[in-house]
Amino acid sequence: EPEVTQTPSHQVTQMGQEVILRCVPISNHLYFYWYRQILGQKVEFLVSFYNNEISEKSEIFDDQFSVERPDGSNFTLKIRSTKLEDSAMYFCASILSGGIYEQYFGPGTRLTVT
Amino acid sequence: AQTVTQSQPEMSVQEAETVTLSCTYDTSESDYYLFWYKQPPSRQMILVIRQEAYKQQNATENRFSVNFQKAAKSFSLKISDSQLGDAAMYFCAYGSYNQGGKLIFGQGTELSVKP
Repeated sequence: EPEVTQTPSHQVTQMGQEVILRCVPISNHLYFYWYRQILGQKVEFLVSFYNNEISEKSEIFDDQFSVERPDGSNFTLKIRSTKLEDSAMYFCASILSGGIYEQYFGPGTRLTVT
Repeated sequence: AQTVTQSQPEMSVQEAETVTLSCTYDTSESDYYLFWYKQPPSRQMILVIRQEAYKQQNATENRFSVNFQKAAKSFSLKISDSQLGDAAMYFCAYGSYNQGGKLIFGQGTELSVKP
């Protein structure tokens, strides 16, 4: 069964450093998403991406964040200058089309900022 | 704006018993989908069940079923014959075409299963 993969599974970084979280969505999916979950809290939408551009972003997704689909398979989330409050689980998800279908979530990347 | 509320931070059930997790939502849209996701300690998000708003029939998946009350904007999850492996955090989520497919999650309910 196809699945969304994410690397790394756990990233530890120092405050102020740049991090890139990587995702490989399911190959024929067209819509991609990043979500964030601070420990003990709910999952929050960060950004959606379609046709090589951002289709929507939340208030959380400020200028420190960027997304990219550098090739036909990878989908990345970059945080330019990490803050302590960026420590969270980051999930990538994808769906086949713009209709509402099951979102396939990756296993997540745990980001720890020290 | 759409909101999803889960008013039960924690629930407990005896193994083999039935438990119901509550979820309410607020929306002005008529066409949308509702989901229940399970998040075990590994923190992987696993889809349990989904309900299309235009369908009157409640969705079922094996031991999992929902009680979808569209007028009341209520979407509860019933787990029958609870198993130890059902212990997890459960999130209710809302999605719609107008929202571009993004999901809006509730705060979650931590379910423990007692042997």
